[in-house]
Amino acid sequence: DTEVTQTPKHLVMGMTNKKSLKCEQHMGHRAMYWYKQKAKKPPELMFVYSYEKLSINESVPSRFSPECPNSSLLNLHLHALQPEDSALYLCASSQASGAFYEQYFGPGTRLTVT
Amino acid sequence: TQLLEQSPQFLSIQEGENLTVYCNSSSVFSSLQWYRQEPGEGPVLLVTVVTGGEVKKLKRLTFQFGDARKDSSLHITAAQPGDTGLYLCAGDPTGGGNKLTFGTGTQLKVEL
Repeated sequence: DTEVTQTPKHLVMGMTNKKSLKCEQHMGHRAMYWYKQKAKKPPELMFVYSYEKLSINESVPSRFSPECPNSSLLNLHLHALQPEDSALYLCASSQASGAFYEQYFGPGTRLTVT
Repeated sequence: TQLLEQSPQFLSIQEGENLTVYCNSSSVFSSLQWYRQEPGEGPVLLVTVVTGGEVKKLKRLTFQFGDARKDSSLHITAAQPGDTGLYLCAGDPTGGGNKLTFGTGTQLKVEL
């Protein structure tokens, strides 16, 4: 099973709202990722968790707050977002050791900030 | 900063035609992955190439990793409408690292 699930599929939120995106995988992967993707552009890395610890933060604004409660779950908490944060948010997972890491992506959450 | 340039950026062809997408860099990558992404969905991993000169086939898709591991190509034979999507290459510059360098993307449309 190479499935990564994400909820919700679509989210519309105002600039003062607080919401969370959720991601789950059951492949035994110990690395999980958040990406932001604009239309027809490649994904941009936001955060990486390795063995449930934050290992990479690509200078993401503090209005995005990641959380990794356990090895299967990854959350992204959103607060006071701006309209330019509207995008497809992708979660991915991979092994955390070895010669190379194949990343498996979820279907994404389409976020619209109004 | 390592960059992966893909060409062409856009490609619109008729069903049955052949095509090649290129992924080029001036830097060496320890491995390289190819993904296909359909609108509104996440990228789906197609293949990983690791060894310089390696060729892998996936049905009508043929992937090649350059001898120097700086470039790769994806060739599709007899394209079908189901091949439509955004094709992304992604390289691992360090080996065993979890920060991929994504290519600029190739948007393919195959029409009947």
